[in-house]
Amino acid sequence: AQSVSQHNHHVILSEAASLELGCNYSYGGTVNLFWYVQYPGQHLQLLLKYFSGDPLVKGIKGFEAEFIKSKFSFNLRKPSVQWSDTAEYFCAVNAVNTGGFKTIFGAGTRLFVKA
Amino acid sequence: DVKVTQSSRYLVKRTGEKVFLECVQDMDHENMFWYRQDPGLGLRLIYFSYDVKMKEKGDIPEGYSVSREKKERFSLILESASTNQTSMYLCASSWGIRGPSNQPQHFGDGTRLSIL
Repeated sequence: AQSVSQHNHHVILSEAASLELGCNYSYGGTVNLFWYVQYPGQHLQLLLKYFSGDPLVKGIKGFEAEFIKSKFSFNLRKPSVQWSDTAEYFCAVNAVNTGGFKTIFGAGTRLFVKA
Repeated sequence: DVKVTQSSRYLVKRTGEKVFLECVQDMDHENMFWYRQDPGLGLRLIYFSYDVKMKEKGDIPEGYSVSREKKERFSLILESASTNQTSMYLCASSWGIRGPSNQPQHFGDGTRLSIL
């Protein structure tokens, strides 16, 4: 069965620190990959997505992610975090050509940025 | 901008009650989803629908049912609420005929349901 692993459940950083959140998935076929963010008290929203082309994708608010097919990874990065990046981040994977379109979400990573 | 509206932000019910959670989207999306969100478990899919009157079980359908009589509305029903169904429930919708899977999902604000 497909699964998505986010390695860090809680991350605490100071402002201006660099961020990298890990995401690995288990599925050998074609995948579409997403990062969603949930700010406190708000709904989940799309941060960025990858489905083909350049494996380095850029999203909103200075975030980017790199798809490394050989490592089954889609890590999220930001060079310099801000206090407003405090949120929960979810990696999600759609496995293509499985006869369905179910999205599998990771358990989430709670990021707290200290001002 | 896509709007997914869930009928209640907070809800308190008693065990054994039949509970209805309503979700409406305003972008004519074909696909709609119900998830529950629990700390440390992420989002788990309960049911989804890719067309009116169509439904498919997700990973954790036990104790739940759904209804999609109109394209814009997707209802989640707890047939006989139990305390282990206390959770945050999220509704989502997306474009696509049977879901081209490069389409992101758009989420509602969630309903925090407590079963006493």
